[in-house]
Amino acid sequence: GQQLNQSPQSMFIQEGEDVSMNCTSSSIFNTWLWYKQDPGEGPVLLIALYKAGELTSNGRLTAQFGITRKDSFLNISASIPSDVGIYFCAGQKAFGANSKLTFGKGITLSVRP
Amino acid sequence: DTEVTQTPKHLVMGMTNKKSLKCEQHMGHRAMYWYKQKAKKPPELMFVYSYEKLSINESVPSRFSPECPNSSLLNLHLHALQPEDSALYLCASSQWRGETQYFGPGTRLLVL
Repeated sequence: GQQLNQSPQSMFIQEGEDVSMNCTSSSIFNTWLWYKQDPGEGPVLLIALYKAGELTSNGRLTAQFGITRKDSFLNISASIPSDVGIYFCAGQKAFGANSKLTFGKGITLSVRP
Repeated sequence: DTEVTQTPKHLVMGMTNKKSLKCEQHMGHRAMYWYKQKAKKPPELMFVYSYEKLSINESVPSRFSPECPNSSLLNLHLHALQPEDSALYLCASSQWRGETQYFGPGTRLLVL
């Protein structure tokens, strides 16, 4: 099935640095979601975006819903060791029937102390 | 509160065993989901329940049997699984189908 494009597969940053992750698609989505997953745990919702152009913050995290509705980005500022994990973007095309989540492949973030 | 709970946390079973995974949410959500996730991969949708009725089955083998006894509970009954079924099984819920999904911590299943 369709997947969203997330790359690179892995990112390595120094503690205190900012990092930005993109998620792109060839088709339009009505909702963009960003999840973080720690090893052996379920994905935790970080930010949900519902409107094209929307910019939303959650602490050190900022995410935007692209104007074209085909992309989204997530920024993490002043990274800390607990930011380590896999970051998945997910898009949803419609509400109600047939509104499945489409996931990106995920980006594994490593933070060097 | 956006908590979805799953039990057990870990499960080891033989190929002839019958076991069940349980999921519970008390957020009043009317849509619940089962996903399967292999290591380093995104979750793959298995089943969707809406108002306690099965609305999507993603061509999942019959050795996986979902059940939704009430609006707060979702079970996944397992029988005659194969080693390749070993994975992290995730439950999620949303207010209604199509709304933002919240995931549980998952059950790590190992089939020997």
